[in-house]
Amino acid sequence: ETGVTQTPRHLVMGMTNKKSLKCEQHLGHNAMYWYKQSAKKPLELMFVYSLEERVENNSVPSRFSPECPNSSHLFLHLHTLQPEDSALYLCASSQERGRITGELFFGEGSRLTVL
Amino acid sequence: AQKITQTQPGMFVQEKEAVTLDCTYDTSDQSYGLFWYKQPSSGEMIFLIYQGSYDEQNATEGRYSLNFQKARKSANLVISASQLGDSAMYFCAMREVENSNYQLIWGAGTKLIIKP
Repeated sequence: ETGVTQTPRHLVMGMTNKKSLKCEQHLGHNAMYWYKQSAKKPLELMFVYSLEERVENNSVPSRFSPECPNSSHLFLHLHTLQPEDSALYLCASSQERGRITGELFFGEGSRLTVL
Repeated sequence: AQKITQTQPGMFVQEKEAVTLDCTYDTSDQSYGLFWYKQPSSGEMIFLIYQGSYDEQNATEGRYSLNFQKARKSANLVISASQLGDSAMYFCAMREVENSNYQLIWGAGTKLIIKP
């Protein structure tokens, strides 16, 4: 099993659909993250969970709804998205949140296209 | 103002040559960390190297080294003896304690292409 696994790898959805992205980490980490990566823009942090509690929510529209049922799983529920939400969504985990040295371990991302 | 600046949107380098990817940062924190990540076409971000603001020596990891110039606020990545598999996007990132609550702040990236 790879460290951080994301499914699906590719998703095409209409603006009225509801879908979910799934992330699973097998590293025993306590913090998990959702990032949005758009072309030619720096990574944008969307949400941070630490020990299953949401600790960061960076002004993300309510059409994105995260869920962290346990420390190994993270979901991003999507509904009534806009075409500008098309991007690569990256999940990451780290051992814990509040360390300067702690590197993030990323999944391969879910490429989302909103029609 | 941008906190992390990567001035090279793209670079072409001949295989086996060394390559330097530029990164400058802006912070008023005394304690911070600097990271480099590689993103191949598969999409996964791969951690390469870390430099702490109080580290006196430049970080090295195999063929990767970080040229840390604190007074100039520069943290350039040096890849020695480049290989075709080094072709990827490279991102510089910074973590501050006081100003950003441990969030990683990312640069826009540099696309590196290694020519055979």
